[in-house]
Amino acid sequence: DQQVKQNSPSLSVQEGRISILNCDYTNSMFDYFLWYKKYPAEGPTFLISISSIKDKNEDGRFTVFLNKSAKHLSLHIVPSQPGDSAVYFCAASDPYNTDKLIFGTGTRLQVFP
Amino acid sequence: EAGVAQSPRYKIIEKRQSVAFWCNPISGHATLYWYQQILGQGPKLLIQFQNNGVVDDSQLPKDRFSAERLKGVDSTLKIQPAKLEDSAVYLCASSSDGYNEQFFGPGTRLTVL
Repeated sequence: DQQVKQNSPSLSVQEGRISILNCDYTNSMFDYFLWYKKYPAEGPTFLISISSIKDKNEDGRFTVFLNKSAKHLSLHIVPSQPGDSAVYFCAASDPYNTDKLIFGTGTRLQVFP
Repeated sequence: EAGVAQSPRYKIIEKRQSVAFWCNPISGHATLYWYQQILGQGPKLLIQFQNNGVVDDSQLPKDRFSAERLKGVDSTLKIQPAKLEDSAVYLCASSSDGYNEQFFGPGTRLTVL
């Protein structure tokens, strides 16, 4: 069963506008979440994370929001740039082995001029 | 700081053949991970090492997959014999103690014909 879900396989956004990538999870014991970005032929790179004691974490153009009651998190990119075009993975840290990450299926973001 | 190195980058084999992948983590990183990423899915953890000991191998198909991390540094992942469904990108990652952020290598793309 898929414990971390990214229901939108792709998203297309114009440069300068906001990109919103969504992620849902099923296990209420998850308490730490991460976003990774992946370019073709490269490994995923860490982007931003959030602990369940917060509902928002911001790093430059990237903000992650966490809604624990809805078991939902989202990544906002403002403003979007063409270099942001990549696949974005949401991941949750396994509560029984916090080093173990459980990944979603990814959302391909395309930012066009 | 050098990143996680993996080789080979690409490998094509026929089913029932054997194959091995090599990973050199970031210097000083005690924890090493092997992930399998099938097309259209997120990375799935196969095995996690802490130094040269196995922490989690619950999702490793042990009848055909094996991994070792001699001397707590480099690691090899072997598949013997390969099946068609093993076609995937095999990612190696490493992390420092106490940090969730994992650093990924570029991966090895395996095609089983």
